[in-house]
Amino acid sequence: DQQVKQNSPSLSVQEGRISILNCDYTNSMFDYFLWYKKYPAEGPTFLISISSIKDKNEDGRFTVFLNKSAKHLSLHIVPSQPGDSAVYFCAASVYNQGGKLIFGQGTELSVK
Amino acid sequence: GAGVSQTPSNKVTEKGKYVELRCDPISGHTALYWYRQSLGQGPEFLIYFQGTGAADDSGLPNDRFFAVRPEGSVSTLKIQRTERGDSAMYLCASSRTSAMGNEQFFGPGTRLTVL
Repeated sequence: DQQVKQNSPSLSVQEGRISILNCDYTNSMFDYFLWYKKYPAEGPTFLISISSIKDKNEDGRFTVFLNKSAKHLSLHIVPSQPGDSAVYFCAASVYNQGGKLIFGQGTELSVK
Repeated sequence: GAGVSQTPSNKVTEKGKYVELRCDPISGHTALYWYRQSLGQGPEFLIYFQGTGAADDSGLPNDRFFAVRPEGSVSTLKIQRTERGDSAMYLCASSRTSAMGNEQFFGPGTRLTVL
């Protein structure tokens, strides 16, 4: 069972425009959510996170929105830059499970 | 400072053989995680250590997989009697502690190919 889902395998955006990456989850016990970015031949790197007590967290060009009732989160990148081209993974964890992360399948973002 | 390192970067083996994959975490990080990533999928949790002990090994697929961290630093993932389905990228991550909110830093991974 896929507890964290990213239904768009790829996304193409023009430089300077907004990129919106989506993620859905099924486990209502999840209380911490993260986005990781991965370049080829490298491990994933942490981008931004959000606790379930918040509905928005912003860090520079990156904003994560959480809609708990819909079990949905999204990552907004604005403005998008060519260096943002990478695979983005959504991940979730439960407070008492020691940081164990459950990842989505990833969305490959291409900014041109 | 040095990040998480994993060796080897690539490992090709034959079905039925035994392999060991090594992870060197960031110095001082007490939590260490192993994940497996198949093509087109996200990383899948295997096991995590807090110090020397395996705190959660619920993701290990079967008893052919085993991991150790004897001194609370370097960890080795061991796979016995490898099968073609074990072919994947094996990722290691470490964090200061296993408490929620502590960023996990990932290594570049070991790509395992079982022929």
